[in-house]
Amino acid sequence: DIQMTQSPSTLSASVGDRVSITCRASQSINIWLAWYQQKPGKAPKLLIYKASTLGTGVPSRFSGSGSGTEFTLTISSLQPDDFATYYCQQYNSYRATFGPGTKVEIK
Amino acid sequence: EVQLLESGGGLVQPGRSLRLSCAASGFTFSGYAMTWVRQAPGEGLEWVSTISGSGGSTYYADSVKGRFTISRDTSKSTVYLQMNSLRAEDTALYYCAKDLLTVPDAFDIWGQGTMVTVSS
Repeated sequence: DIQMTQSPSTLSASVGDRVSITCRASQSINIWLAWYQQKPGKAPKLLIYKASTLGTGVPSRFSGSGSGTEFTLTISSLQPDDFATYYCQQYNSYRATFGPGTKVEIK
Repeated sequence: EVQLLESGGGLVQPGRSLRLSCAASGFTFSGYAMTWVRQAPGEGLEWVSTISGSGGSTYYADSVKGRFTISRDTSKSTVYLQMNSLRAEDTALYYCAKDLLTVPDAFDIWGQGTMVTVSS
């Protein structure tokens, strides 16, 4: 199975900061990567798919980049609503795998 | 409105069975693959199983293969997860999710989840 890692595991930032989260795959997954946001007690929400395509209704301050084995989620100007946990997920193989998550906290 | 509503969770003893259901509405059910994802308390997301839009192809995580069976009923717009030989490590919130395509893809719509607790 393809293994996914994320860094950092926790990120402390302030409103207005530009933040980036890195996701790495154990083998090439082309562009078949998605990013999700999850808030406590809520279901995950799709932010990005195909590495860089914005999900429906997702604010433009979110962006994704990368291909192959290394990917990045960037939030250009952190807003109060963005404090949450973020997961990457590969779907290159029909057996999907998620990264362990990155918690974005208020500094 | 596109919606997924899970049901069937509960407290079950180790070794017993449980069947989860996910009722879909607001989209053409047969046009999309459907997936179950679980999240143990305080932990991350774990993909469990996916079924193609036609129902002809199914995929399972190694942790549940041979014990869980995914299926779908187009007439009821419902996807199921039959869980047999349950273990303590299967304790989790089980989410149903809609894939973007008829084959496995990213998950654009999620239900609110149904909790499964495996304990004696």
